[in-house]
Amino acid sequence: AQSVSQHNHHVILSEAASLELGCNYSYGGTVNLFWYVQYPGQHLQLLLKYFSGDPLVKGIKGFEAEFIKSKFSFNLRKPSVQWSDTAEYFCAVTPLLRNNRLAFGKGNQVVVIP
Amino acid sequence: DVKVTQSSRYLVKRTGEKVFLECVQDMDHENMFWYRQDPGLGLRLIYFSYDVKMKEKGDIPEGYSVSREKKERFSLILESASTNQTSMYLCASTSDRYQPQHFGDGTRLSIL
Repeated sequence: AQSVSQHNHHVILSEAASLELGCNYSYGGTVNLFWYVQYPGQHLQLLLKYFSGDPLVKGIKGFEAEFIKSKFSFNLRKPSVQWSDTAEYFCAVTPLLRNNRLAFGKGNQVVVIP
Repeated sequence: DVKVTQSSRYLVKRTGEKVFLECVQDMDHENMFWYRQDPGLGLRLIYFSYDVKMKEKGDIPEGYSVSREKKERFSLILESASTNQTSMYLCASTSDRYQPQHFGDGTRLSIL
């Protein structure tokens, strides 16, 4: 079945450490790619998105993601995390042939220790 | 700023009840979605609607139905609530596939 995979569901790290969250998808053809974040008690909000062009995209709060088409991946990175980055992170994909439907990964629960 | 409003933040119902979850968006978006969010399972699409009175099944539609009588409002209906429908329900809307989906705060539904 076509899907979106996120690895290492729980991630615990200290402030100032670097963060990388992997996302792989299995849809062929053109896709739109998103990372969403859900801070504790808040609604999901967009972190960044990729539709075309430069495969390295920058989002809010110092996050960036790199689209590697040959690897069907869209990994999220932040060089130095803060306690306020504690949240759940979701990768999402819209395949061209699926209208506006988003397929979500299972999420990464990230805890940053002060 | 886009606002997606879900009618209840918390809801407790009994097994067998008919349950209505309401969602309203204020940005004239054509597309609206209902998801459920469960720990370790991420977000799973229940139903979506791309226009008034139009709907399409998502990945887990069993036990649910939807209604879209007006463009701004999308209702999720649990015909006969069961305990395995205890979950967080999220509504979202978007204008098109090139725009991000905007999410409501969610309704945490408990079925006893």
